[in-house]
This record gives sequence, structure tokens and C-alpha cells, in this order.
Amino acid sequence: AQSVSQHNHHVILSEAASLELGCNYSYGGTVNLFWYVQYPGQHLQLLLKYFSGDPLVKGIKGFEAEFIKSKFSFNLRKPSVQWSDTAEYFCAVKGGSQGNLIFGKGTKLSVKP
Amino acid sequence: DAGITQSPRHKVTETGTPVTLRCHQTENHRYMYWYRQDPGHGLRLIHYSYGVKDTDKGEVSDGYSVSRSKTEDFLLTLESATSSQTSVYFCAISGDSGAALETQYFGPGTRLLVL
Repeated sequence: AQSVSQHNHHVILSEAASLELGCNYSYGGTVNLFWYVQYPGQHLQLLLKYFSGDPLVKGIKGFEAEFIKSKFSFNLRKPSVQWSDTAEYFCAVKGGSQGNLIFGKGTKLSVKP
Repeated sequence: DAGITQSPRHKVTETGTPVTLRCHQTENHRYMYWYRQDPGHGLRLIHYSYGVKDTDKGEVSDGYSVSRSKTEDFLLTLESATSSQTSVYFCAISGDSGAALETQYFGPGTRLLVL
């Protein structure tokens, strides 16, 4: 069965620090990969997605992610975080044409002003 | 944001009572989904629909049923609510094919408390 692992449960950074959130998945075939963000009290919003092509994907709000097939990873990055990036971040994977979207357990990011 | 609304947004109910949550979309998308979100579990798929009257089970479907009589509405029913069903419920939609099918957009959520 597919699974998604997010390594960090809670990350605390100061403003302007760089961010990298890890995501690994288990699925042997072709996958579509997603990062969603959930601001406090709000619904999930799509940050970025990868289907094929350039493994470095740029999303909204200055986020990017890199797909490394050999490592089954899709890590999220941002060079300089802001207080407004405080949120929970979810990695999600959809494997195969009939697969369901499987979510990681989420990483809470707290950015100190 | 995708045109998705959920009702009610908040509900408190008692154990053993039936509860129905509604998801309404204005995008005319074929696929609709119900997830529950619990701390430490991320989002887990309850049921989904791939068209009017076409539904299938997800990962955590026990104790839940769904119905879809119109393209725009997808109902989730807790047949006899239990405290373990206290959660935040999210509806999502996706399009018919290709990238639109693969990408899900989420509604605002319903907070359900079962006492």
C-alpha cells in the first residue's frame, strides 16, 4: 500500500530562516505529488504539484519542491520564511491512474517574528 | 478558490444520533470526496464519488454513508454518531480528466463534535 512520511512533526524557525520540509513516499510506479498548506482555522490550499517534467517545481508564495525519484522524495523548500508562513504543511501522493490521494500526517511550521 | 461550500460549518450532536453533512460545488466537477482530519493522522479518505449515484469507499468508510443525487451535492451521513467520529470533515472536488482530475481542491470544512 502507498504511504507518505513527513519527517518533522513541528518545525520552529525565525523569520528569514530557510525552510526545508521532508516528504518521502512508498510507491513503485508513476506518482503525482502535491504539497498543501493549511493556515490556522482554514481549509487546505494547494501550494504546488508535480506530475512530470522538470523535477524542480515552483509554487505560490515563494515555495518550491524538488522531486528526487531515486530517493522517493518530494521535499518542500523556501529560502526565507515569514511569520505569515506559520501553518501546517501536508505532502500528498497519488499513485497510478486509479489511486487515491494519500496524505502525510503533516508538519506544523511556527515562524517566530 | 474553488466554489465549494460545506454546511453546517460547526455541529455538536449526541452519540447515537444520525448526522448529515453537505458539500455543494459550483464547478460542475465530476469527482467529489469526503475526508476527515484528525491530529496526527493528516487527512484520510472516507468516501468519494465519480458521478451522480456513483460512489465508492475510501480508507475509513465504516460508520459513514454517502449519496450523490445531483452533480453539485455530495452528502455524508453518520448513521449513528460515535465519539470517535468527532473530527473536522473536508469535502474536495476534482475535474474530469488529466491534470484537473489529479488535482483536488478543498472546501472550508465542518467541525463535528459528538458528545
